[in-house]
Amino acid sequence: GENVEQHPSTLSVQEGDSAVIKCTYSDSASNYFPWYKQELGKRPQLIIDIRSNVGEKKDQRIAVTLNKTAKHFSLHITETQPEDSAVYFCAAHRGNEKLTFGTGTRLTIIP
Amino acid sequence: EAEVAQSPRYKITEKSQAVAFWCDPISGHATLYWYRQILGQGPELLVQFQDESVVDDSQLPKDRFSAERLKGVDSTLKIQPAELGDSAMYLCASSRLAANTGELFFGEGSRLTVL
Repeated sequence: GENVEQHPSTLSVQEGDSAVIKCTYSDSASNYFPWYKQELGKRPQLIIDIRSNVGEKKDQRIAVTLNKTAKHFSLHITETQPEDSAVYFCAAHRGNEKLTFGTGTRLTIIP
Repeated sequence: EAEVAQSPRYKITEKSQAVAFWCDPISGHATLYWYRQILGQGPELLVQFQDESVVDDSQLPKDRFSAERLKGVDSTLKIQPAELGDSAMYLCASSRLAANTGELFFGEGSRLTVL
């Protein structure tokens, strides 16, 4: 089955700086890669996703890049703000198989 | 905005007792998922329903866990008997599209503590 590794497990950045979280996946047939944000005590929520037919997708301060050859994808957050502090999970799946989540990255924005 | 409802939010039980969690997905969402999230880890799929049918329960410990979605709407996840290692957050999610092809909408979860 699919295996997703996520790094780093914790990340602290100064407010206004950029944050990058990286994930690798094992199944070359995986074709859908969402990112979920989970604030403390709240439910995970989708923030951005990318499919295997594109290499990059951007939504305001958030972007995701995908390298199918290397089987890795990354989340980029620019101009970080205190409300970006949360745990971020990447995930991957192919076809109708189950979504496999990474282990999460706890992002802390330092004011 | 419609949300996935779960209850109870918190449950403390002693080992060997039975526990049950309830989930009401967003209206019209055919696919329903139960995930277990151990502290510090990502959600792990326990069972997935398409309407009232089980699509994937390969990771469900069937000797003690059971799940049903009798009318294809709300769902119940049961653990009997509970063990210490079952302490975790149990998340329910639903999606509008066919299995695994769209955004998952999560509930707030049911946090289980087994003493």
